[in-house]
Amino acid sequence: NAGVTQTPKFQVLKTGQSMTLQCAQDMNHEYMSWYRQDPGMGLRLIHYSVGAGITDQGEVPNGYNVSRSTTEDFPLRLLSAAPSQTSVYFCASSLIQGWNEKLFFGSGTQLSVL
Amino acid sequence: AQKVTQAQTEISVVEKEDVTLDCVYETRDTTYYLFWYKQPPSGELVFLIRRNSFDEQNEISGRYSWNFQKSTSSFNFTITASQVVDSAVYFCALSESRKRAGGTSYGKLTFGQGTILTVHP
Repeated sequence: NAGVTQTPKFQVLKTGQSMTLQCAQDMNHEYMSWYRQDPGMGLRLIHYSVGAGITDQGEVPNGYNVSRSTTEDFPLRLLSAAPSQTSVYFCASSLIQGWNEKLFFGSGTQLSVL
Repeated sequence: AQKVTQAQTEISVVEKEDVTLDCVYETRDTTYYLFWYKQPPSGELVFLIRRNSFDEQNEISGRYSWNFQKSTSSFNFTITASQVVDSAVYFCALSESRKRAGGTSYGKLTFGQGTILTVHP
């Protein structure tokens, strides 16, 4: 009963380093997404995918890349980390991207960029 | 413009007090969905309730109740007889239907800033 699994839980990077946040779900959900959570700003959508091979930008996509080669996995890549990307990142999925669908969230990744 | 406003940044209550978390939203759509999510100290967000714009009936689930009023664009959440385990960040969210270039529709979800609720023993 894994649900949405995110790794790592914590990460510290230096400015300019790259890394990939992993997200996997075992519920056969078509829709997967990445959010960042910053104090006082709620959750903001970075990128999302409505199925394997299909990705799209959300509200704050700059500095992040995604791909969706399988239904299960949706990694988020930071190509050149910046201090402004210090945040808590959440992966979320739902069966489809219907407007009445509830989201299932991972446990989050706390990222610090020095 | 902020589409979902949770004006209360932090609320502190003592156990057994009732507490109401406010949520005001803005949309031009006549059909939409509203959600509440809970984020306990462990960090994971958990779905609490979903309500569509045509259903203004209040809902009660145990100690939780929700008051949806289209006239004031509000979807407030009340916890009765609060407990320490209710301490969490609570998010209200609005889902509006939008169409992609190919014609398929999808849900555009916007979260409020969140309200930090602390329940003291």
